[in-house]
Amino acid sequence: AQKITQTQPGMFVQEKEAVTLDCTYDTSDQSYGLFWYKQPSSGEMIFLIYQGSYDEQNATEGRYSLNFQKARKSANLVISASQLGDSAMYFCAMRERQAGTALIFGKGTTLSVSS
Amino acid sequence: NAGVTQTPKFQVLKTGQSMTLQCAQDMNHNSMYWYRQDPGMGLRLIYYSASEGTTDKGEVPNGYNVSRLNKREFSLRLESAAPSQTSVYFCASSELAGYYNEQFFGPGTRLTVL
Repeated sequence: AQKITQTQPGMFVQEKEAVTLDCTYDTSDQSYGLFWYKQPSSGEMIFLIYQGSYDEQNATEGRYSLNFQKARKSANLVISASQLGDSAMYFCAMRERQAGTALIFGKGTTLSVSS
Repeated sequence: NAGVTQTPKFQVLKTGQSMTLQCAQDMNHNSMYWYRQDPGMGLRLIYYSASEGTTDKGEVPNGYNVSRLNKREFSLRLESAAPSQTSVYFCASSELAGYYNEQFFGPGTRLTVL
């Protein structure tokens, strides 16, 4: 079974609109972290936002927020006021306490922002 | 402050050749990682080093070896390259090996094995 599922291969949005990228996860661990990374066409992996399993409030970093629904095991990324520079591949990832130190990645969602 | 650096950025090998990918970080992080990224897939862990002097296998270790040379440097070696090892390789580091520590990635090495 996949640990991280990103069901949207591609998303299209216009500038200044908000967009939600979906991520569901599967773990039996009580302690885990959820991460979102951005990969632009240049190829580097850029850390965006983190949510811990014990965090009661949703994480926010500037225009990025993480909609964390623990009971549903979902960790959706919300980008407010999209910009052309947001066009990239976005990966959701999880790190479990018991499973060691690996980041487990989803297959990613390609976001295209148009003017 | 360069973060995580990797060399080379691009490499083409013939089947059976060997090479070493170099990685260094200047953030005084304890933990370092090697991942590979194949088309249509997320990153998969090859090897990691939770702290200086230790290394452990990840999800896809076959065909690779690693060396944690010191706290800053973590190299990945392909002893006899195969076409299946054509991929983009990322090195990453984190302050600690805890599940709450974000990992910072290098720019990647694009490797083609013919």
